[in-house]
Amino acid sequence: EVQLVQSGAEVKKPGESLRISCKGSGYSFTSYWISWVRQMPGKGLEWMGRIDPSDSYTNYSPSFQGHVTISADKSISTAYLQWSSLKASDTAMYYCARLTGQGYPLGYWGQGTLVTVSS
Amino acid sequence: QSALTQPASVSGSPGQSITISCTGTSSDVGGYNYVSWYQQHPGKAPKLMIYDVSSRPSGVSNRFSGSKSGNTASLTISGLQAEDEADYYCSSYTSSSTLVFGGGTKLTVL
Repeated sequence: EVQLVQSGAEVKKPGESLRISCKGSGYSFTSYWISWVRQMPGKGLEWMGRIDPSDSYTNYSPSFQGHVTISADKSISTAYLQWSSLKASDTAMYYCARLTGQGYPLGYWGQGTLVTVSS
Repeated sequence: QSALTQPASVSGSPGQSITISCTGTSSDVGGYNYVSWYQQHPGKAPKLMIYDVSSRPSGVSNRFSGSKSGNTASLTISGLQAEDEADYYCSSYTSSSTLVFGGGTKLTVL
């Protein structure tokens, strides 16, 4: 069974750094790209970017380029999303999802990680 | 890149059919047969319902169908059921090798 298990909820202060994780299991981790998706409170889905775990090649939405970093450690089948300096506007639910086809369909999703940034 | 345009809400009675539209541009929806649709119930992760415009993943009811004409894609749900009440999002691959979502549509089953 394909599973993506994300790390737990985080409460941080503005300016702090953070890395959240997404561990894949039940499939060959290096064979499928992973995407990250943001959902701000009461709002819609926003695609942040994706990574190819086999070589860590990434591409980002212009809206998120330079604001976050997506990485992966294929030795432990885990993808990451990180911030160097959080803002209150980063408060959101973050989902990882596995691409299942050429046109970026997101066929498997993690349970989500709630990030709250507040002073 | 701008979000794809969806109606904010649609509604229908049990047993009826509804259609949700998703309008983009020639750089996304109109340029590729890579439109997907997702269902999201409150407090849950999204679920892929349609991919590549009209293909259904294994396990998704055949009451869900997708189509596309020009820059507009559509999701049709036939035989509406109470459990279909949820938010629905379209997405499309883009000419920049990125993905763009629609703003989402809240489906109410009356």
